[in-house]
Amino acid sequence: DAKTTQPPSMDCAEGRAANLPCNHSTISGNEYVYWYRQIHSQGPQYIIHGLKNNETNEMASLIITEDRKSSTLILPHATLRDTAVYYCIVRLTGTASKLTFGTGTRLQVTL
Amino acid sequence: SAVISQKPSRDICQRGTSLTIQCQVDSQVTMMFWYRQQPGQSLTLIATANQGSEATYESGFVIDKFPISRPNLTFSTLTVSNMSPEDSSIYLCSAQRTDTQYFGPGTRLTVL
Repeated sequence: DAKTTQPPSMDCAEGRAANLPCNHSTISGNEYVYWYRQIHSQGPQYIIHGLKNNETNEMASLIITEDRKSSTLILPHATLRDTAVYYCIVRLTGTASKLTFGTGTRLQVTL
Repeated sequence: SAVISQKPSRDICQRGTSLTIQCQVDSQVTMMFWYRQQPGQSLTLIATANQGSEATYESGFVIDKFPISRPNLTFSTLTVSNMSPEDSSIYLCSAQRTDTQYFGPGTRLTVL
């Protein structure tokens, strides 16, 4: 699986958009980009994933560059409850592929 | 999504004993996984548990230390054997539905 690079920490004011970047320059054509978050040692929570098109769900939007070498997770209106460690993971499709967690980005949402 | 529960949620154990962690999924799944998260660290995959076959262990993890059972498509157990303080971690199970893994709440283990 391709390696990802994320900033170790970010701050965001409550109510503003949080934009979390991820670099995955060695991603291959059959690898998806997944985002999870972990709030204070709870089990990781799935957020969103995508292959090449931008994706949006009730939690967030995922913007993937045209060359697929980087992506951005967008939380449109961050709240204090969004304070967590966010993991960007590149993963092969198929049922046998595992998740390899890096160190993630610690997002702190402040008043 | 998938709803996953784990028992116990936390435990404090003595050195040399064993603990079995249970993981229950709300519906049938093919693939289940067990992860460990040591204090201040990220998640590390221990093994993949498929129903009806032996678990597949990652490098650095062995069956004698972390035996896994997968008796049916909704349940799995992980045993942490002959525990030492270095085994103090959060143990998490996950289940895969279509292309996404969903995680349980974790079991926080402290070994004295």
